[in-house]
Amino acid sequence: SQTIHQWPATLVQPVGSPLSLECTVEGTSNPNLYWYRQAAGRGLQLLFYSVGIGQISSEVPQNLSASRPQDRQFILSSKKLLLSDSGFYLCAGHRLGLFYEQYFGPGTRLTVT
Amino acid sequence: AQTVTQSQPEMSVQEAETVTLSCTYDTSESDYYLFWYKQPPSRQMILVIRQEAYKQQNATENRFSVNFQKAAKSFSLKISDSQLGDAAMYFCAYRSAVYGGSQGNLIFGKGTKLSVKP
Repeated sequence: SQTIHQWPATLVQPVGSPLSLECTVEGTSNPNLYWYRQAAGRGLQLLFYSVGIGQISSEVPQNLSASRPQDRQFILSSKKLLLSDSGFYLCAGHRLGLFYEQYFGPGTRLTVT
Repeated sequence: AQTVTQSQPEMSVQEAETVTLSCTYDTSESDYYLFWYKQPPSRQMILVIRQEAYKQQNATENRFSVNFQKAAKSFSLKISDSQLGDAAMYFCAYRSAVYGGSQGNLIFGKGTKLSVKP
């Protein structure tokens, strides 16, 4: 079965520090991958999506960037974190053979202090 | 652009009772998919149920069922025989049937927090 892994699970970083969140996928190949952010008490906001290696589309201009160095690896980065970057970050992929259905990783809780 | 609206920020239900969560959406497309996701306190997003717009029959998954009204652009979730483990945030989501590109992204409502009373 397809599984998404994310790490770290929890992260506390000071303002101005760099960020790297990793998402890896098992059990499928060439998935579309997505990064979402969920602020406290709010819905999910799509940040980036990728249809293949090196192909990144940004939905919201911001302090973050994404990269896809391998087929099943998706990385969310920042050079300098802002307080407003705090939130819960979820990686998602689409099910093999079910392009319309997304499944999610366990998420990373980021607190910027 | 498509939008998804969940008008009930919070709902409460007694254990073993039935509760219905509301969702409306706006789209000019005729073919699309609708989903309900559950987010328990662990915050892992779990797919509860899926509805294809071209299907007239309402989807059912065990105690979960939907009432899909395409003309009214309404997609409500009914939870029967509510259990304590059903307590969670529930998100309604829309996806275009177009494959690839930004049309493939999920558009989420803001969620409904469901509490289950013992």
